Amino acid sequence: NAGVTQTPKFQVLKTGQSMTLQCAQDMNHNSMYWYRQDPGMGLRLIYYSASEGTTDKGEVPNGYNVSRLNKREFSLRLESAAPSQTSVYFCATFAGGGLSEKLFFGSGTQLSVL
Amino acid sequence: SQQGEEDPQALSIQEGENATMNCSYKTSINNLQWYRQNSGRGLVHLILIRSNEREKHSGRLRVTLDTSKKSSSLLITASRAADTASYFCAREGGSEKLVFGKGTKLTVNP
Repeated sequence: NAGVTQTPKFQVLKTGQSMTLQCAQDMNHNSMYWYRQDPGMGLRLIYYSASEGTTDKGEVPNGYNVSRLNKREFSLRLESAAPSQTSVYFCATFAGGGLSEKLFFGSGTQLSVL
Repeated sequence: SQQGEEDPQALSIQEGENATMNCSYKTSINNLQWYRQNSGRGLVHLILIRSNEREKHSGRLRVTLDTSKKSSSLLITASRAADTASYFCAREGGSEKLVFGKGTKLTVNP
C-alpha cells in the first residue's frame, strides 16, 4: 500500500522549460491537492480536485495547470518555468465525508528553476 | 492571506520539558488540524479538533480550541528528541480545502 506517490523527487529546470509533476494515490480518495512549500511561507494551495474530472484554483494558481484524468492521478504542469516557482511541491489526498477528515501527503518534489 | 499564524516561529527546549505552540486564524472553521513535518518529508496528520470541541487529547498531545478568540494551541508533554520537527495548524472551513499556517519549528535537545 503505497499511499500517495509523487514523481520525480528532484528536478532542476532552466527558465522557460516545461515539466509535469505526477501524483498517484491508491487510497480511493475523491479529493486531491497540490501545495507548494516555501521557506517561511508554510504550505499554499495551488489547485485542488474534488473528484475525477473537476479542478479548481487555490491560493496561488498562476503559472500552473492541472489535470485529473482519473480518480488515481492528479498532475501539475508548469508550462514555462520561472525562478519564482522554485519550491517543494506536495500532493495530498483527502479522506473526508465524515470518515477521516485529514490530508495524506506524498513525500514531495523539490524543484529548482535556474 | 487566509493563512493562520503559528507562534512562536521557532522553539528550542530540553528533553522532558513541555512544548506549547499556538495558532490563530481569521475566519470561521469547521475543524482545525495539526500536522507534523520531519525535515525533508511530507506532512503527517496528528490530531483534529472540531469547532464545537474545546479540548482533545491523543497520547502526549493536547489540543485546545477557543473559537471566540479564533485560536488553538498544541501542547506536547514530556518531549523527546524524536519530537523535533515542524508543526503546522490547518483550518478547514467547509470546502475540504485546508489552509495552513507558517509553522513552528520545534527542536528538542537531548
